[in-house]
Amino acid sequence: ILNVEQSPQSLHVQEGDSTNFTCSFPSSNFYALHWYRWETAKSPEALFVMTLNGDEKKKGRISATLNTKEGYSYLYIKGSQPEDSATYLCAPEKNTDKLIFGTGTRLQVFP
Amino acid sequence: NAGVTQTPKFQVLKTGQSMTLQCAQDMNHNSMYWYRQDPGMGLRLIYYSASEGTTDKGEVPNGYNVSRLNKREFSLRLESAAPSQTSVYFCASSVMGGDSFFYSNQPQHFGDGTRLSIL
Repeated sequence: ILNVEQSPQSLHVQEGDSTNFTCSFPSSNFYALHWYRWETAKSPEALFVMTLNGDEKKKGRISATLNTKEGYSYLYIKGSQPEDSATYLCAPEKNTDKLIFGTGTRLQVFP
Repeated sequence: NAGVTQTPKFQVLKTGQSMTLQCAQDMNHNSMYWYRQDPGMGLRLIYYSASEGTTDKGEVPNGYNVSRLNKREFSLRLESAAPSQTSVYFCASSVMGGDSFFYSNQPQHFGDGTRLSIL
């Protein structure tokens, strides 16, 4: 079982602030790293799937980077908006097509 | 676009009762998964199925059984419900698995969840 850690557990920011959070995972047997966005009362939605060391992906104001050698990924949100409020989950994938989810970072953006 | 559909959305059971949670996907995906979500814990994999006719245990399989009825449907059964199985259950699917050697690193698509309470 992989040990996946996400920090911080929760984050409160003002509208317009930029923010970032971290996902740490064991670097051995790495295959891919998934990020999901999970709004309250909805289901998790995929943001990114990243595989290569140094990979950087972007979707609108959200971007993510990946370091497979040291086992971490950062998720950045530029100019946070209230609609960005959600829990952000990361999940490393081993070569068995199974994901191990972290407990998430809960982001609250205040207007 | 239906995606992944779970039924029921809510259910209350008494200890010892049995029930089946249904999941269907219309995306022609090979792999399907059942997770449970408990406060303070990440999504934990109960069972998964990489293709029609195959199922494998995940992290927390005890007390559950699954059936991959066909490519579309993957059901989760609680034979004798216990209070420790009170949770929110999510079904997910992915194009990976089966003969999809060339599909790699694909995301999982989730249903809306089933909130199950066992008294």
